[in-house]
Amino acid sequence: AQSVAQPEDQVNVAEGNPLTVKCTYSVSGNPYLFWYVQYPNRGLQFLLKYITGDNLVKGSYGFEAEFNKSQTSFHLKKPSALVSDSALYFCAVSYPGYSSASKIIFGSGTRLSIRP
Amino acid sequence: GAVVSQHPSWVICKSGTSVKIECRSLDFQATTMFWYRQFPKQSLMLMATSNEGSKATYEQGVEKDKFLINHASLTLSTLTVTSAHPEDSSFYICSARLVGTEAFFGQGTRLTVV
Repeated sequence: AQSVAQPEDQVNVAEGNPLTVKCTYSVSGNPYLFWYVQYPNRGLQFLLKYITGDNLVKGSYGFEAEFNKSQTSFHLKKPSALVSDSALYFCAVSYPGYSSASKIIFGSGTRLSIRP
Repeated sequence: GAVVSQHPSWVICKSGTSVKIECRSLDFQATTMFWYRQFPKQSLMLMATSNEGSKATYEQGVEKDKFLINHASLTLSTLTVTSAHPEDSSFYICSARLVGTEAFFGQGTRLTVV
């Protein structure tokens, strides 16, 4: 079965420091991976995606993610955290394939807390 | 990006009544939409796939008769929580995708059953 794992429930980082939110995946076939962010009582906002090509993907708000096929990982990163980055982050996978009818399956989520 | 709008944003209803939540794709047509449920501090659980002009496909463990889904047009899917009970209280979110894109999400509906 297709799945996504986020091993950390919470990540705490000081403002200005780099941050990493971890994600590993298990899919059959080509992986189509996403990161979304959710603010309280809101829907999800798209950050970035990996479909094919360069392993380092750049997205919104200065975030980037590195696709690592051998480690089946897709960690989210940012060089310098902001307090406003504090939110709930979800890693997700599209299956089967990458069509408009493909489901998006989410990881358990990681709460990112940036302290001033 | 494409816009998905959900209505209402929040609703409070009495136990035993039914509640309808609308999900609209505002600037694109969506033959498929998805309904998720999110419990506090938890992930999004896919409930069902809504298919325009045909029956919805429900995930295992989701009660079809409890959560009625109708996708009557290419821009509108509705989720009706029938005979709602307090345990149905949750955050419900819909999404839709264009071909070759990520999923776009509605702003969510907070349902509280009292």
